[in-house]
Amino acid sequence: DVHLVESGGDLVQPGGSLRLSCAVSGITFSTYEMMWVRQAPGKGLEWISFISYSDRSDSTVYYRDSVQGRFTISRDNAKNSLYLQMDSLTVEDTGIYYCASTLTIFGVVSGFDHWGQGTRVTVSS
Amino acid sequence: EVIMAQSPVTLSVSPGESATLSCRASQNIGYGLAWYQHKPGQAPRLLIYGASTRITGVPDRFSGSGSGTEFTLTISSLQSEDFGIYYCQQYFDWPPWTFGLGTTVEVK
Repeated sequence: DVHLVESGGDLVQPGGSLRLSCAVSGITFSTYEMMWVRQAPGKGLEWISFISYSDRSDSTVYYRDSVQGRFTISRDNAKNSLYLQMDSLTVEDTGIYYCASTLTIFGVVSGFDHWGQGTRVTVSS
Repeated sequence: EVIMAQSPVTLSVSPGESATLSCRASQNIGYGLAWYQHKPGQAPRLLIYGASTRITGVPDRFSGSGSGTEFTLTISSLQSEDFGIYYCQQYFDWPPWTFGLGTTVEVK
């Protein structure tokens, strides 16, 4: 069975930082590109960040505009783990954060096929 | 950025009936569309990719169709476990990978 387990969510003040982790098992982690997706209260799913297979400095990463420069995605293939460093947090960053693995068909990300249960981040004073 | 619009917002359906969910893309995305099911407190579940290809293990009462800008998810003979929120997502033009706002399928 595939398992993704997020952790690190917490209550934090605006301007603060958090580091989310996602522990992955049941798949060969290093062969999966990975994503972070969030859901704000009462809202839908929103893609946050992508990282390619590599955990070296040459990995490809993408961010949505609203978190660019504040969030940093990374991975450690030896530890089967994905991370999201979140700095300069605002109330708009409040939500449940999910990690997800990608379904890749002929080299193209074609969906997010395995998800964790999410970890809750609350940014409030 | 490709904007995904889903309709209706809420669909009230009796068990055993069918449900038709719509998704429209703001530009041509070919067949680059996925559908997800999400229940409160649970992980989202990928149902369909490529607009119409079911993920292994997804019941055949779920079917997807469409291409370009217009897509449909049909759930025939709804079961109790099918109630929840359904999202479409495009993966043709990225980043960002974008989701619709969802359709809630509820018990009538």
